[in-house]
Amino acid sequence: DAGITQSPRHKVTETGTPVTLRCHQTENHRYMYWYRQDPGHGLRLIHYSYGVKDTDKGEVSDGYSVSRSKTEDFLLTLESATSSQTSVYFCAISESGTGFYEQYFGPGTRLTVT
Amino acid sequence: SQQGEEDPQALSIQEGENATMNCSYKTSINNLQWYRQNSGRGLVHLILIRSNEREKHSGRLRVTLDTSKKSSSLLITASRAADTASYFCAASSNDYKLSFGAGTTVTVRA
Repeated sequence: DAGITQSPRHKVTETGTPVTLRCHQTENHRYMYWYRQDPGHGLRLIHYSYGVKDTDKGEVSDGYSVSRSKTEDFLLTLESATSSQTSVYFCAISESGTGFYEQYFGPGTRLTVT
Repeated sequence: SQQGEEDPQALSIQEGENATMNCSYKTSINNLQWYRQNSGRGLVHLILIRSNEREKHSGRLRVTLDTSKKSSSLLITASRAADTASYFCAASSNDYKLSFGAGTTVTVRA
C-alpha cells in the first residue's frame, strides 16, 4: 500500500454520538478523498480536498464534515452518527487531479452505528 | 449518481480461462480507470485509459475503451486463483473526482 493509514480501523458507536475518522499520508500528495462503500453501491464520494484548508463536497456529503489543516492529514467527522452511516470508509490520495493520475487507497475503517 | 456500471455483477471461471467484464458510463469522460479489491482490503489501481486511447495493456490485463458507445471492457487472460477479487471501473469526468460502479465479483476456481 502507498503510505496511507486510517484510524481507527474498526469502530462501534451509538446513534447520536460524534465520530472522527483520520486519514494520514506520507506521500505528500495534494488531493485527498473520503469514500464510503456499501453493498450494491460501489464507492461513493463524501468529500475531497485539493489542498490544505481547501475542501469540497461529494455526492453523499450530508451528515459529514471534513477538515485538512496539514497536507498529510484529512479528517472526516460524523457530527451525530446515524444507523444509515454504518459503512466501510476509505480514504484515498492522488498526486494531482484524476485527469492524469490514479488514486491510492487506504485499508478502510469499518464503522458500525448501533 | 454512479457514472460507471459494471456487467456482469458476478463471474465464476476456471483457472487458466479468460475473464471479461464490461463497464458503461453516462457522460463524457477524460479517463476511465479500473481497480481491484481483495476481500477486506482497500482498492488497488490496475490501469488508466485516457479518452483518446482505444486499447491499453498491462501484463495479463487488456482494457478497451469505446467512447462512441460510452463503454469499456477489462480482460484478464490466463486467470489465476489470486485474481479472485472485485473489480471496479471508475469514470473521471472532471479533474478531481471519480465515479465508481458497483463492481464485478470474480471467482477463479482451481
